[in-house]
Amino acid sequence: DAKTTQPNSMESNEEEPVHLPCNHSTISGTDYIHWYRQLPSQGPEYVIHGLTSNVNNRMASLAIAEDRKSSTLILHRATLRDAAVYYCILHGVNNNAGNMLTFGGGTRLMVKP
Amino acid sequence: DSGVTQTPKHLITATGQRVTLRCSPRSGDLSVYWYQQSLDQGLQFLIQYYNGEERAKGNILERFSAQQFPDLHSELNLSSLELGDSALYFCASSLGTYRQETQYFGPGTRLLVL
Repeated sequence: DAKTTQPNSMESNEEEPVHLPCNHSTISGTDYIHWYRQLPSQGPEYVIHGLTSNVNNRMASLAIAEDRKSSTLILHRATLRDAAVYYCILHGVNNNAGNMLTFGGGTRLMVKP
Repeated sequence: DSGVTQTPKHLITATGQRVTLRCSPRSGDLSVYWYQQSLDQGLQFLIQYYNGEERAKGNILERFSAQQFPDLHSELNLSSLELGDSALYFCASSLGTYRQETQYFGPGTRLLVL
């Protein structure tokens, strides 16, 4: 899978929007962009994914650049419960036929009351 | 609650010992994945099973093995344990093998090797 680059950490105020960036300049045309997050002492949980178009769900929005070399996860109103490590993952075709996730370091989001 | 269950939640054992971690996937999911999370290596994929067959292998040591049973639950066996095997072990499941599928993670098993 192609590599992603995310800031190590970000800070946000409660009830304000948060934009979490991810660069993936070597993305291939068939790579899906997935976001997962890991709350403290829990397993990772799915947030959102997309291929080319922007996506919205009840948790967040995903904005994908036109050239697909970057994407942004948008939390519309951060809550204290959103404090977590957010992982941007490219999910492409694997030679070994598996569809495992390859996690990088992620962005640790801190939310201030 | 993801629907994926893992037992036990915590395990403390000694070097050289063998342990078995158990995972029950979400109802209807055929794929099971095992991941290891340590402080220095982050989250790493170990192995994937699909409908009872091994599908893909990652950075899994030869001392580790896994299997998926006919009822689709999976077990990860860790033997000849070393201090460095202390980590969180997560199981995840998904419907099948497509890249756009969501993976649902269990709460993890925290292994401490003394």
